[in-house]
Amino acid sequence: RKEVEQDPGPFNVPEGATVAFNCTYSNSASQSFFWYRQDCRKEPKLLMSVYSSGNEDGRFTAQLNRASQYISLLIRDSKLSDSATYLCGTGGGNKLTFGTGTQLKVEL
Amino acid sequence: EAQVTQNPRYLITVTGKKLTVTCSQNMNHEYMSWYRQDPGLGLRQIYYSMNVEVTDKGDVPEGYKVSRKEKRNFPLILESPSPNQTSLYFCASSLGPGRDQETQYFGPGTRLLVL
Repeated sequence: RKEVEQDPGPFNVPEGATVAFNCTYSNSASQSFFWYRQDCRKEPKLLMSVYSSGNEDGRFTAQLNRASQYISLLIRDSKLSDSATYLCGTGGGNKLTFGTGTQLKVEL
Repeated sequence: EAQVTQNPRYLITVTGKKLTVTCSQNMNHEYMSWYRQDPGLGLRQIYYSMNVEVTDKGDVPEGYKVSRKEKRNFPLILESPSPNQTSLYFCASSLGPGRDQETQYFGPGTRLLVL
């Protein structure tokens, strides 16, 4: 079993839709959780950190469920510019382990 | 501007010809890492460094070397590149341990093709 698993997609959604991604992790000792956005083989850029209490940044909401060992990302009112690959990362200390990413395509 | 830089950005080489990819960060970060990204396999950590002269293997270290002689620089060395090292490479840095310090900031990537 992979340490971090994501549905690769692609998720094709119309503009304005709400879309949710999940990411499961196997290491119960993981302490840090992140969502990164990656555009077309460019560098991953931090979208948001994920805390136990959940956090929200505009149209984006991230949640952590430690009991079930998954993190989620919710995108509301999706825009064309949200089209990208979304990577989740978990870890602690010196190491982050990433999932393979979920591809999102937002269409007119 | 706070950033991680890598050079070269693109490189085509032949099997067995030693190469070095440089990485530098200007954020005074303690932690630095190298990753490779391959289709279907995601980002995999090659090596990491927690401080000057402190390095350790990640998940896929075979065929690679690193050094950390200065805090800001973390070069990746391929002593004898092989075609299976054709990949997209990212350098990353983070402040250090601790929940709010572990965010990794990535360089722009180096596309390597080994013929």
